[in-house]
Amino acid sequence: EVQLVQSGAEVKKPGESLNISCQGSGYRFTSYWIGWVRQMPGKGLEWMGIVFPGDSDTRYNPSFQGQVTISADKSLNTAYLQWSSLKASDSAMYYCVRHNGYTYLYWGQGTLVTVSS
Amino acid sequence: IQMTQSPSSLSASVGDRVSITCQASQDISDYLNWYQQKPGKAPKLLIYDASKLERGVPSRFSGSGSGTDFTLTISSLQPEDIGTYYCQQYDHLLRTTFGQGTKLEIK
Repeated sequence: EVQLVQSGAEVKKPGESLNISCQGSGYRFTSYWIGWVRQMPGKGLEWMGIVFPGDSDTRYNPSFQGQVTISADKSLNTAYLQWSSLKASDSAMYYCVRHNGYTYLYWGQGTLVTVSS
Repeated sequence: IQMTQSPSSLSASVGDRVSITCQASQDISDYLNWYQQKPGKAPKLLIYDASKLERGVPSRFSGSGSGTDFTLTISSLQPEDIGTYYCQQYDHLLRTTFGQGTKLEIK
């Protein structure tokens, strides 16, 4: 069974750094793209970018390029979404997704990030 | 590519036929998926490649369209169908855009 398990909720202050994770299991981790999707409170879904764990090829939504870093550690079957300096506007639910062809069939449970002074 | 969904919200009665539309800003062939999201949950894939029903999804859900205009139809609305529905377009580089969502409620 394919599973994506995300790290727990985070409460941070503006300017702090953060790294959230998504561990895949039940499939060959290096063979499928993993993506990140943001959902701000009460809002819709926004595609942030994707990483291919097999070779770390990464593609970003231009709106998020330079704002976050997406990476993967194939030895840990884990993908990451990182911020070097959080803003209040980064407060949102973040989902990791696994590509199945051109669909997002598999989703993590979501990680809620709250940034507040 | 921009995706415009309509309506943004919809209220219908159990048993009604419900349609949600999604318009792309340019021709996307059939590179379109539909998702359902229930409150507090991750989205769930319903339809892929514009008209293909994902395994396990009730047959009352269907998708149609190609090019720029797409429709998700629920043939007979059930109480468990409440939630927010999103269309998603993708390209061959795996870049993707979601529509802004349609919130479906029961009258």
